[in-house]
Amino acid sequence: QSALTQPPSASGSPGQSVTISCTGSSSDIGGYNYVSWYQYHPGKAPKLMIYEVNKRPSGVPDRFSGFKSGNAASLTVSGLQAEDEADYYCSSYAGSDNWVFGTGTRVTVL
Amino acid sequence: EVQLLESGGGLVQPGGSLRLSCAASGFILKGNAMTWVRQAPGRGLEWVSFIYPDSGHTSYADSVKGRFTLSSDNCRNTLYLQMNNLRAEDTALYYCTKNTYFSFDIWGQGTVVTVSS
Repeated sequence: QSALTQPPSASGSPGQSVTISCTGSSSDIGGYNYVSWYQYHPGKAPKLMIYEVNKRPSGVPDRFSGFKSGNAASLTVSGLQAEDEADYYCSSYAGSDNWVFGTGTRVTVL
Repeated sequence: EVQLLESGGGLVQPGGSLRLSCAASGFILKGNAMTWVRQAPGRGLEWVSFIYPDSGHTSYADSVKGRFTLSSDNCRNTLYLQMNNLRAEDTALYYCTKNTYFSFDIWGQGTVVTVSS
């Protein structure tokens, strides 16, 4: 149950795009199309932004998009806005009713 | 409105026990899978435990297996996370979440557990 690997930080100016990577293994990301992404402000409730690799829950702007290839996934935030500044975590189903989260990426809007 | 409300956190000595509760409102636990996730100070989110309230089937992270027990009282629409033999590394903000499509769509505000002498 090793954590998925994410870069510690990412940044972009308002209006630009930022992409966050999430690397796992064939036991998690590579084995299932069940990658999800969460926006997190420490101390508050995380918010689901993407599920099943690239699906957006109702209410999540289409500026957020997900992708997966092999054992890695990514989240792209297009048209960055100040309100997008937060920590982002990926998660993947890992089989046998187990899940694993990523190490987290702090997104800064410059 | 669909909500989850955690309670039961607090300060406990190493080796001690604590029981966290998660009261669900706006939906019934039966028919939904549920999960606990925690965040230790300065660290990332960590999956802790999972339950199907319908069957009582559970799963646990290796870090808590044998020490934590997750159960569901479907009459009270409440989950319970019994935590025994607590360690300093269990210090964290504990969140209760509702599963959907193998992700976590509804989260509570969390309850803080501090393990320290």
